[in-house]
Amino acid sequence: AQTVTQSQPEMSVQEAETVTLSCTYDTSESDYYLFWYKQPPSRQMILVIRQEAYKQQNATENRFSVNFQKAAKSFSLKISDSQLGDAAMYFCAYRSVSTGNQFYFGTGTSLTVIP
Amino acid sequence: NAGVTQTPKFRILKIGQSMTLQCTQDMNHNYMYWYRQDPGMGLKLIYYSVGAGITDKGEVPNGYNVSRSTTEDFPLRLELAAPSQTSVYFCASSYFGTGREAFFGQGTRLTVV
Repeated sequence: AQTVTQSQPEMSVQEAETVTLSCTYDTSESDYYLFWYKQPPSRQMILVIRQEAYKQQNATENRFSVNFQKAAKSFSLKISDSQLGDAAMYFCAYRSVSTGNQFYFGTGTSLTVIP
Repeated sequence: NAGVTQTPKFRILKIGQSMTLQCTQDMNHNYMYWYRQDPGMGLKLIYYSVGAGITDKGEVPNGYNVSRSTTEDFPLRLELAAPSQTSVYFCASSYFGTGREAFFGQGTRLTVV
């Protein structure tokens, strides 16, 4: 099975600054998607950004961007101009093709935004 | 636009009791999933379904059962509840296709005492 590793259980950032959350994954597949989800204290899981493995261009959604390094199996999330509302748990996820289209999740990074 | 609806949001069970967590989606998604979330452990897949009448075990299926009689509904049954089943449970759904994200319900916080 694929594994997803988030090595930073907790991170903090000053408001308006930039922070990068790390994610690595292990797979032998060439076709897959990667996702970052945000889970605020409300518990609702919200999609932040997705990346297709075949695309070399890094995905961007407003203040959120990724650094996708396929060879290194790395998928980090950069949050620019951090806002208080960005405080949440962030999960990296991998979607497999070969195993019934399952999603595999990392253990999460808890982000604190300091005013 | 309801999306994925889970009920109940909170529940306390006594050891040995049984219950069903309900999940329904109105997006005509063929894939549905049940996850449990424990502190520091991320989301672990319990069961999933690729369509009505088809279910399969995930990483942590012991103590749980599911059924998928319709496209919309995917209930999770806990038999003989144990303290180890204290967790937050999420139902999710998705379209077929790797680019499609999972849509999640709001979760059920279950405590077994």
